[in-house]
Amino acid sequence: AQSVTQLGSHVSVSEGALVLLRCNYSSSVPPYLFWYVQYPNQGLQLLLKYTTGATLVKGINGFEAEFKKSETSFHLTKPSAHMSDAAEYFCAVSWKGGNKLVFGAGTILRVKS
Amino acid sequence: GAVVSQHPSRVICKSGTSVKIECRSLDFQATTMFWYRQFPKQSLMLMATSNEGSKATYEQGVEKDKFLINHASLTLSTLTVTSAHPEDSSFYICSASASSGGAYNEQFFGPGTRLTVL
Repeated sequence: AQSVTQLGSHVSVSEGALVLLRCNYSSSVPPYLFWYVQYPNQGLQLLLKYTTGATLVKGINGFEAEFKKSETSFHLTKPSAHMSDAAEYFCAVSWKGGNKLVFGAGTILRVKS
Repeated sequence: GAVVSQHPSRVICKSGTSVKIECRSLDFQATTMFWYRQFPKQSLMLMATSNEGSKATYEQGVEKDKFLINHASLTLSTLTVTSAHPEDSSFYICSASASSGGAYNEQFFGPGTRLTVL
């Protein structure tokens, strides 16, 4: 069965500092991996995804993530946090031939001025 | 990009009443729609998957007679919460995808509906 673990339910960084949100997955088949952002009382917005090809994926708003098969990880990073990045972030996994998404528990990012 | 809308965005109802939530794909034909439930400070949990013109497939533990899903057209799916109770209060989010013939069909999410049952 596929599952997603996000380490740290809350992460706090200073404005301008590096953002690192961790995601590990378990999947019995090659995964497709996603990061979504959710602002309060809103739906999910796709930040980036990995399906095939280059393992370093760049997304919107300066975010990127790297698929590391040996570590079963897909950590999300941004070099310099902005106040507008404060939100909840969800890592999710799907797989070839499947159309379901399995979500992690989410990480709330707080950006301090 | 693909746009998915939900209506209403917020609804308050009395215990025992039924509530219908609509999910529409505005600029594409959605062969599959998904319904999720998100409790406060928790992640999204898939409730059911529906394909246009066929019965929805419910996840384990989700009561199909309580959460009625209809996907009558390629742009509209509805979720009806029947005989709602306070424990049904939650944030309900739909997503839609179109068959692309590829290995993965991306899901596009609606803005969610906040249901409060008094």
